[in-house]
Amino acid sequence: DVVMTQSPLSLPVTLGQPASISCRSSQSLVYSDGNVYLNWFHQRPGQSPRRLIYMISKRESGVPDRFSGSGSGVDFILKISRVEAEDVGVFYCMQNTHWPWTFGQGTKVEVK
Amino acid sequence: EVQLVESGGGWVQPGGSLRLSCAASGFSFSSFWMSWVRQAPGRGPEWVANIKQIGSEADYVESVKGRFAISRDNAKNTVYLQMNNLRVEDTALYYCARSRSGYWGQGTLVTVSS
Repeated sequence: DVVMTQSPLSLPVTLGQPASISCRSSQSLVYSDGNVYLNWFHQRPGQSPRRLIYMISKRESGVPDRFSGSGSGVDFILKISRVEAEDVGVFYCMQNTHWPWTFGQGTKVEVK
Repeated sequence: EVQLVESGGGWVQPGGSLRLSCAASGFSFSSFWMSWVRQAPGRGPEWVANIKQIGSEADYVESVKGRFAISRDNAKNTVYLQMNNLRVEDTALYYCARSRSGYWGQGTLVTVSS
């Protein structure tokens, strides 16, 4: 199975400041069609995970543009340009290139 | 508006069975793969199974192979997860999702305990 490794696992943030989360896959996520199926999800306590980003850098409809995704091959980054209070929770990277589709361990974001 | 509503969760003893249902609306159900994803208490999500648009071709995570079966009824816009020989480690919130999309339901809780 593809192992997704996130860092850091805990991220204390200051509101209004930038933040970033890294995700590394144990093998290339390039699919046979040439696309890379790397997603980022955000989960608030008691809620379902919400997909923010798909295919490395495409934002879901309604996702604020302070969220951006980048990377290629095996290394990926989620950046938040200015953290807001509603961003607290757990962020997961997830690959759906290789079956079984797998998630990272999660990065817990909390306000300092 | 896309909606996915799960049902069928509950408490069951180890070795028991449950059948989860997910009623879909707001999109052309028969055109999309569908999935079940689970999340054990305090842990990250785990993708459990996918089923293609038509027929029964499906994929399963290794830990549920031979015990779980995903199926769908395109006439009823519903996807199912038949769970047999349940184990304590199957305890989780089970989400229905439209595969390769951001659409997830709110989940139904399955508790396996003696």
